[in-house]
Amino acid sequence: EVQLVVSGGGLVQPGGSLRLSCAASGFTLSSYDMKWVRQAPGKGLEWISYISSSRSTIYYADSVKGRFTISRDNAKNSLFLQMNSLRAEDTAVYYCARDDFDSRGRRVPFDYWGQGIPVTVSS
Amino acid sequence: DIQMTQSPSSLSASVGDRVTITCRASQDISNYLAWFQQKPGKAPRSLIYFSSSLQSGVPSKFSGSGSGTDFTLTISSLQPEDFATYYCQQYKSYPLTFGGGTRVEIK
Repeated sequence: EVQLVVSGGGLVQPGGSLRLSCAASGFTLSSYDMKWVRQAPGKGLEWISYISSSRSTIYYADSVKGRFTISRDNAKNSLFLQMNSLRAEDTAVYYCARDDFDSRGRRVPFDYWGQGIPVTVSS
Repeated sequence: DIQMTQSPSSLSASVGDRVTITCRASQDISNYLAWFQQKPGKAPRSLIYFSSSLQSGVPSKFSGSGSGTDFTLTISSLQPEDFATYYCQQYKSYPLTFGGGTRVEIK
């Protein structure tokens, strides 16, 4: 069974840092592109970062560029999001998600999601 | 950036109703459009990708259509478990963007 389990969230002061982890099981992380998405309280979904399976391609949303860093440890089957210089507007539930490809070679975006973890930035 | 606009933002419907949600992209995204369902306190669930391809395990009452800039998600016969918020998302180019969501409520 494919599972993604997110950990590392919590309460942090403005300007502080947190590191989120996304532990994958039931599949080999190294074969998949991965993403982070967040959802502010009562709001919609916001994509924030992407990393290719080989780590050769990384993208960030403008809202987090220069402050957040996505990484992966394929040997540990884990994805990470290092969040620095946190602001109140980063308060959200953070999800990791996997991309797959179908039998015709077409990308299937966000086919599995982690359970989400809350991050609260407040003094 | 490609803007995704969903309509309506909310709707009330009865069990058994046919429901259609519309999503419009600010530029041509071909068929690179996905739909997700989210229930309160839960992670989103993938329903449709490439505009009309049903995700594995998703019941056939869900269907998607459209190409270019205009897309629709249809639920053929609404059931109690379908009351949720639905999001469209374009993956033609980065930054990836989601629509604002459509909340489907019980009438």
